[in-house]
Amino acid sequence: NAGVTQTPKFRVLKTGQSMTLLCAQDMNHEYMYWYRQDPGMGLRLIHYSVGEGTTAKGEVPDGYNVSRLKKQNFLLGLESAAPSQTSVYFCASSYGAGSVYGYTFGSGTRLTVV
Amino acid sequence: KQEVTQIPAALSVPEGENLVLNCSFTDSAIYNLQWFRQDPGKGLTSLLLIQSSQREQTSGRLNASLDKSSGRSTLYIAASQPGDSATYLCAVNIDKLIFGTGTRLQVFP
Repeated sequence: NAGVTQTPKFRVLKTGQSMTLLCAQDMNHEYMYWYRQDPGMGLRLIHYSVGEGTTAKGEVPDGYNVSRLKKQNFLLGLESAAPSQTSVYFCASSYGAGSVYGYTFGSGTRLTVV
Repeated sequence: KQEVTQIPAALSVPEGENLVLNCSFTDSAIYNLQWFRQDPGKGLTSLLLIQSSQREQTSGRLNASLDKSSGRSTLYIAASQPGDSATYLCAVNIDKLIFGTGTRLQVFP
């Protein structure tokens, strides 16, 4: 039972390069989320999806794009990386809205932009 | 706008102490509240989930309470152990999770 899997786990990018972070879940969850975690800032929501083919902006969406072409996958793209995007990125998933549903998190991707 | 605050930001206690971590939120319209544990350099592990209609949840030495009307939750850890050392995060679910900045706990032998 893999849960939520993030790839890659570590990456170093040069300013201006692009990359895609992949999140995959095997729990048939409808909702998926991308967060970033920075020291002193806590976890902040970048983008999220409430179902296949849907995406929405979170608190800090600028500089990122997302796609949810398959229910089990949620991709986070950086088109032109900036040092301010150095962070740890977490993906999460949930069955949906409602009081009984909790969130499951992946183990994170540590990204450094130099 | 929903805001979540955790107090204290850091806590250092000797092994065996009972301790309370606090979480407050500004809007009571939540689906549930979830407590997580995060070890250095690792991901988030869910500890307890309290539904909006519930008052508390227990798991082993952990007990979490929820008072929606006052916008407060507490995480009680009984008989703390060095293995409990980690950062504890609370998050409220409003169709997405809004996190506090965490309490960094150190339990020394």
